[in-house]
Amino acid sequence: NAGVMQNPRHLVRRRGQEARLRCSPMKGHSHVYWYRQLPEEGLKFMVYLQKENIIDESGMPKERFSAEFPKEGPSILRIQQVVRGDSAAYFCASSPDTGLLYGYTFGSGTRLTVV
Amino acid sequence: KQEVTQIPAALSVPEGENLVLNCSFTDSAIYNLQWFRQDPGKGLTSLLLIQSSQREQTSGRLNASLDKSSGRSTLYIAASQPGDSATYLCAVQNYGGSQGNLIFGKGTKLSVKP
Repeated sequence: NAGVMQNPRHLVRRRGQEARLRCSPMKGHSHVYWYRQLPEEGLKFMVYLQKENIIDESGMPKERFSAEFPKEGPSILRIQQVVRGDSAAYFCASSPDTGLLYGYTFGSGTRLTVV
Repeated sequence: KQEVTQIPAALSVPEGENLVLNCSFTDSAIYNLQWFRQDPGKGLTSLLLIQSSQREQTSGRLNASLDKSSGRSTLYIAASQPGDSATYLCAVQNYGGSQGNLIFGKGTKLSVKP
């Protein structure tokens, strides 16, 4: 059981480029959640996805950010035209249907640096 | 709007000491509260999950309590060890919020000196 796998671990992008962050949930988990941790800040919820559906995107910035969880393959968090303020650690978590009862498993995160 | 506060922001103790970390939240309408540990450059490790109907949970040297009416939780660590050094995060799941929409505190950075 490999847990929640995120890649890459570190990502450097120049301003204006696109960043793609990938998350493979734990085996048997069909719910994926993305969080962002800005320097010196707490983790902030971004989006909750099930296979092929966005359930809650209340924490996603309105522009440049998008997320998907296709029928096959990992969940992708995409940031277009990155700016320095996007530099942060992005964490993915997953759960089965019973996340409310048993909690969530987090990955090790992707650290995005925009130069 | 739910706000989660953790005090102190940092704590340094000698090895072997018992210690308490505090977490407070402003809205008592929660499903559950979860304590995590975060090591530098790493992800989050879940320590304890307390449902709103529960008063406490225990795992090894860790004990977490929940007083929903007063909006408080504590994480008690017995006989601290240098390996306990990490940032401890508290997170609540609001009643009525979507699954996985956790509200986190900023954490308490714990350092246990040998």
